[in-house]
Amino acid sequence: EVQLVESGGGLVQPGGSLRLSCAASGFTFSSYWMSWVRQAPGKGLEWVANIKQDGSEKNYADSVKGRFTISRDNAKNSLYLQMNGLRGEDTSVYYCAREGDEILTGYVGTASYFDKWGQGTLVTVSS
Amino acid sequence: DIQMTQSPSSLSASVGDRVTITCRASQSISIFLNWYQQKPGKAPNLLIYGASSLQSGVPSRFSGSGSGTDFTLTINNLQPEDFATYYCQQSYITPRTFGQGTKLEIK
Repeated sequence: EVQLVESGGGLVQPGGSLRLSCAASGFTFSSYWMSWVRQAPGKGLEWVANIKQDGSEKNYADSVKGRFTISRDNAKNSLYLQMNGLRGEDTSVYYCAREGDEILTGYVGTASYFDKWGQGTLVTVSS
Repeated sequence: DIQMTQSPSSLSASVGDRVTITCRASQSISIFLNWYQQKPGKAPNLLIYGASSLQSGVPSRFSGSGSGTDFTLTINNLQPEDFATYYCQQSYITPRTFGQGTKLEIK
């Protein structure tokens, strides 16, 4: 059974730092892109960052670029999000998500999607 | 960035109804559109990928259609467990972007 378990959330003061972890099991972690997606209280979903299978490519939302760093350790089947310079607007539940993909017949490119999610970890930025 | 706009933002329906939720992209995204269902306090769940491909394990009363900029999620014969919030998401380019969500409530 595929499992993604986030940890590391909590209360932090503005300007502070936090490191989230996501432990993966039940699948070949090193074969998948992985993402972090967040959701502010009562709000919609916002993609935060993703990382290629071997860690060689990383992408970030403009809202976190320069402050957050995504990384992974394939030997430990783990995904991380280092969050620095935290702001009130970063208060959210943070989910790690596996990116599945499939080549669709007749179309150029590969369809990717978030097919497995963790339960989320709450990050609260407040003084 | 590609903006995703869903309509309506909320919807009331009854068990057994058929409902349709639409999603519009600010530019063409071919068929790289996914739909998710989210229940309160839970992580989202993938329903449809590639605009119309049903994710394994998802009931066949869910269907998706569309291409380019306009997409539709249809739920036939609404069941009590379908009352939730639904999100579309484009995977055409990074950054991945989501619609604002459609809350489906019981009438």
